[in-house]
Amino acid sequence: GESVGLHLPTLSVQEGDNSIINCAYSNSASDYFIWYKQESGKGPQFIIDIRSNMDKRQGQRVTVLLNKTVKHLSLQIAATQPGDSAVYFCAEKRGGGSYIPTFGRGTSLIVHP
Amino acid sequence: NAGVTQTPKFQVLKTGQSMTLQCAQDMNHEYMSWYRQDPGMGLRLIHYSVGAGITDQGEVPNGYNVSRSTTEDFPLRLLSAAPSQTSVYFCATWKGQASGANVLTFGAGSRLTVL
Repeated sequence: GESVGLHLPTLSVQEGDNSIINCAYSNSASDYFIWYKQESGKGPQFIIDIRSNMDKRQGQRVTVLLNKTVKHLSLQIAATQPGDSAVYFCAEKRGGGSYIPTFGRGTSLIVHP
Repeated sequence: NAGVTQTPKFQVLKTGQSMTLQCAQDMNHEYMSWYRQDPGMGLRLIHYSVGAGITDQGEVPNGYNVSRSTTEDFPLRLLSAAPSQTSVYFCATWKGQASGANVLTFGAGSRLTVL
């Protein structure tokens, strides 16, 4: 079936390192992708998005890469900080019709000082 | 600007009791939804609404009812609570189809425990 999933449930890094969180999607018709960050005890919050006509988009310390050939999405966080510790979710929008978001399991990022 | 407000933040129920989780938004978003989050399961869609008077089922609708009488409010009702409904519930809203309008705004969550 169609799904949005993540390769690694937990990622541990040292402060200052770069982090890469991966996400696989199965629907080739998906045309829009969003990354959310969920801190402990809070609701998810928007980080960055990318449309399917782009390969890369940069924000402040974050970069999202989209590889449509292998249906893969990644979130790169530069110079990871303790405040980046959270669960990260990717969500896809399937092209056409109403947008009803679905989410993968999430990846827990743990940043060690 | 409050955004999305969920109440209550915490609730303990006994099996068989009923209750309503409230969700209110002041963002004038057409779309609203309820998700539940269980450990290791991510966010699973319960019900959603694409506008006042219109609701539909998501991935895990059993045991839950919703209604959307106004744009602002989207309550989630548990008719007869079961321990399997112990979870954290999130309400989310988004504007709709237009470019840049598909980012969800989430409430802070409601933690429900069913004994």
